[in-house]
Amino acid sequence: QSGLTQPPSASGTPGQRVTISCSGSTSNIGSNYVHWYQQLPGTAPKLLIYRNNQRPSGVPDRFSGSKSDTSASLAISGLRSEDEADYYCAAWDDSLSGHWVFGGGTKVTVL
Amino acid sequence: QVQLQESGPGLVKPSETLSLTCTVSGGSISSGSNYWSWVRQPAGKGLEWIGRIFTSGSTNFNPSLKSRVTIFIDASQNQISLKLASVTAADTAVYYCAREVERWSGSLNQYYYYMNVWGKGTTVAVSS
Repeated sequence: QSGLTQPPSASGTPGQRVTISCSGSTSNIGSNYVHWYQQLPGTAPKLLIYRNNQRPSGVPDRFSGSKSDTSASLAISGLRSEDEADYYCAAWDDSLSGHWVFGGGTKVTVL
Repeated sequence: QVQLQESGPGLVKPSETLSLTCTVSGGSISSGSNYWSWVRQPAGKGLEWIGRIFTSGSTNFNPSLKSRVTIFIDASQNQISLKLASVTAADTAVYYCAREVERWSGSLNQYYYYMNVWGKGTTVAVSS
C-alpha cells in the first residue's frame, strides 16, 4: 500500500515561514483527518496538530495545519532554531480493512 | 498523565519471533475508548505503522505485515504486547507504542482517532 507523500527536506532562516506539504488519496486524506507529528533528534514523535488544524495544549500557535481535498499542509511561522526536527503527516486509510499511513517525513533545517 | 514504556530483547535472531511489551502507567488500559498502536522506525528512516488493538480487543494491521503480527492486551498487567514472527534484518528498528484517543466528528459523522501519547521507544536489532 502507498503512504503519504512529503518533501524530504525544507529549510528557512529564523523568523521565516516554512510550509510542508502532504499528498495522499481519496481513501486517506480525502476521507479522514490529517494529523502531524514532530520528532526532535533522538526522541519519540510528539503530536503537533490533530484533526487537520487543531493544536494540542502547549503547542505554539506558530504551528498551523490545513487540508484541501487529498492534500494537507503544515506551516511553521516565525521559525526558531528549536523547530529543527523531522515532521510527519498521518491519516487513516479506509482501504484494505483500514490502516494508518504516514508520510515519509520532512527534515526541517533552520539555517 | 498516561505514560508508556516499551520493553523487550534488544537482539533477535533471524527467523525467530520478536516479542515486545508496552507497559501503561498513570491510567488503566481498560478505561476509556482507546486504541493502542505499535509503530516502528528503522535507523535514519521514517515511521511505519504496524498495527493496533482496541480496548475491546478488536485489531487492525498494516497490510504488508499482517501475516506476521499479533497484538494482544494483558489488562491484569496493564500491558499491550506485540509479536512479529519470522523476522529478518529488515525488521531492525526502534519500536514505539502509542495511545490513540477517540473523538467524535459531527462533520464526518463518525469517531476518529489520533496518537496523542507515545512511549520513548525500544531498539531491536535482528542479527545472528
